[in-house]
Amino acid sequence: GQNIDQPTEMTATEGAIVQINCTYQTSGFNGLFWYQQHAGEAPTFLSYNVLDGLEEKGRFSSFLSRSKGYSYLLLKELQMKDSASYLCAAKYMDSSYKLIFGSGTRLLVRP
Amino acid sequence: GAGVSQSPSNKVTEKGKDVELRCDPISGHTALYWYRQRLGQGLEFLIYFQGNSAPDKSGLPSDRFSAERTGESVSTLTIQRTQQEDSAVYLCASSLDHTPGYEQYFGPGTRLTVT
Repeated sequence: GQNIDQPTEMTATEGAIVQINCTYQTSGFNGLFWYQQHAGEAPTFLSYNVLDGLEEKGRFSSFLSRSKGYSYLLLKELQMKDSASYLCAAKYMDSSYKLIFGSGTRLLVRP
Repeated sequence: GAGVSQSPSNKVTEKGKDVELRCDPISGHTALYWYRQRLGQGLEFLIYFQGNSAPDKSGLPSDRFSAERTGESVSTLTIQRTQQEDSAVYLCASSLDHTPGYEQYFGPGTRLTVT
């Protein structure tokens, strides 16, 4: 199988930094996406990594290590509106289009 | 411009009835996907359409599920003889292309409840 693992829930404080980890199977791996999903809403795209390293986009950054099968999403200067589920999804070479999603990490930002 | 739209937003149906869910992708997007999301779970791939190519139906959970797409426009997902385990949010997404890196844009979903 192509299991994607991420923590179920995390809690953090407004203004702080939080790191959400995701692990995946490396065989045939071809890219990793992060999506944000507020309760009752559609997922929205945050980032895409295919090469090793850190990609920064404002308060959000995403990191990938292909050899370790590991990615993380880093959220800085947390705001209350960042409370949402964060979905990690991987692509594999056996399918150029199919995304394999993790179950999502529910992040609660507290004042 | 307009995003992906889906209808209805909510559907309550009795067990055994058929339902039809509709998706309008973003204009010009050749790729269209259907996903199912059970409560507290991630997204489960159901079916993929790309232009006029044969669809990838490998994610459909049973032969009660079927989907159609006319060209590069509207798609419908049909569930026949609904069961309680079909209760979920059904999400549709479209993308400009299927190649890696092209992000998928999601619709708001249809919440299906089978009683």
